[in-house]
Amino acid sequence: DIQMTQSPSSLSASVGDRVTITCRASQSISRYLNWFQHKPGKGPKLLIYAASSLQSGVPSRFSGSGSGTDFTLTISSLQPEDFATYYCQQSYSNPPENSFGQGTKLEIK
Amino acid sequence: EVQLVESGGGLVQPGGSLRLSCAASGFTFSSYDMHWVRQVPGKGLEWVSTIGTSGDTYYPGSVKGRFTISRENAKNSLYLQMNSLRAGDTAVYYCARGDQLVRNYFYYYILDVWGQGTTVTVSS
Repeated sequence: DIQMTQSPSSLSASVGDRVTITCRASQSISRYLNWFQHKPGKGPKLLIYAASSLQSGVPSRFSGSGSGTDFTLTISSLQPEDFATYYCQQSYSNPPENSFGQGTKLEIK
Repeated sequence: EVQLVESGGGLVQPGGSLRLSCAASGFTFSSYDMHWVRQVPGKGLEWVSTIGTSGDTYYPGSVKGRFTISRENAKNSLYLQMNSLRAGDTAVYYCARGDQLVRNYFYYYILDVWGQGTTVTVSS
């Protein structure tokens, strides 16, 4: 099984800050990496797919990079609505058992 | 509007059964893989099951033999029959649509539409 590890597990930041979340795969997954935003009471929202492609309708302050085993999600200038939990997910293996990282909770400082 | 709406969650005793439903609208349901994903309280997202467009099904070891995913394309509906429920199955259950996108000649699989979730509590 491919294991996905995110860091940090939690992060405090202020509106306007630049934030980076990292995700590491236990083996190479090429660019088969998605990023989700999850808010309480809602379903997860796809932000980034194929490591760096922005899903339709997602603000351009979100960006993704990386390939192989190391990936990053960057929010260039935090907005109040960005405080949420973020998950990476590998889509290299199918079915997607253990495909999600453990999550990064982004909180207001 | 593309939408998924889950229902059927509730409180059930250990060893009991529950059937979740997911109503799809705004897209051609039969053309997409569908998934169930759960979030255990205080933990992350965990894939629960997948059903392909041809009816092929997949489960992780934690639910295999206890959960059954099915679909009824004529009703645009997805189901999850959960039997022999355990306390560890307590979670919010989400249905999600699977799709493939092409970038630079490669196919990438995404879960692009999610419902709002339905809560299952397994407790005596």
